[in-house]
Amino acid sequence: QQPVQSPQAVILREGEDAVINCSSSKALYSVHWYRQKHGEAPVFLMILLKGGEQKGHEKISASFNEKKQQSSLYLTASQLSYSGTYFCGTLPRGGAQKLVFGQGTRLTINP
Amino acid sequence: DTEVTQTPKHLVMGMTNKKSLKCEQHMGHRAMYWYKQKAKKPPELMFVYSYEKLSINESVPSRFSPECPNSSLLNLHLHALQPEDSALYLCASSPGYSFYNEQFFGPGTRLTVL
Repeated sequence: QQPVQSPQAVILREGEDAVINCSSSKALYSVHWYRQKHGEAPVFLMILLKGGEQKGHEKISASFNEKKQQSSLYLTASQLSYSGTYFCGTLPRGGAQKLVFGQGTRLTINP
Repeated sequence: DTEVTQTPKHLVMGMTNKKSLKCEQHMGHRAMYWYKQKAKKPPELMFVYSYEKLSINESVPSRFSPECPNSSLLNLHLHALQPEDSALYLCASSPGYSFYNEQFFGPGTRLTVL
């Protein structure tokens, strides 16, 4: 039931773009995205509820393809502050309403 | 006040000890959560309280005992833990318990069981 994230890790130079994918084997109510910096709590980025929905948060945006049960997180013109581990969390339809997190994608931004 | 606080920040305990973790929020949220996070792993849900009632227990061993004394407080009582229980314990809250509510996480308690 755990969603699968890809890639597991990515290293970028400041200003480069990145895409993080999240894929589920189950139909979903929603996809949640969180970022966790080392030694800190996860911080909410955004929730996507409807198929085809796209949302933006500064230079971070995301899309949700309900039919494919997939979501992607887009980081454009990355900044040093974007470094951290990104988790997608999915809420599957038809089951218990509990958020299940993917294994995470570690993003490193170098100057 | 838009934060979730957790105490203590660090806890070291022996396998025979009894200790408690505390979580507090003053955002008026009616759902509160306990997660366990091992190093380099995602948070794993342990318990969910909705309107001060236990809604979900993810088959957590009885050596972990949650308690929700009121809508702002959430405790996790620990007894006879094992070394493999060492982890970061995160508390979170959300306005309600639903698929469209964001969760606000506290900074966590780093627990070491000797």
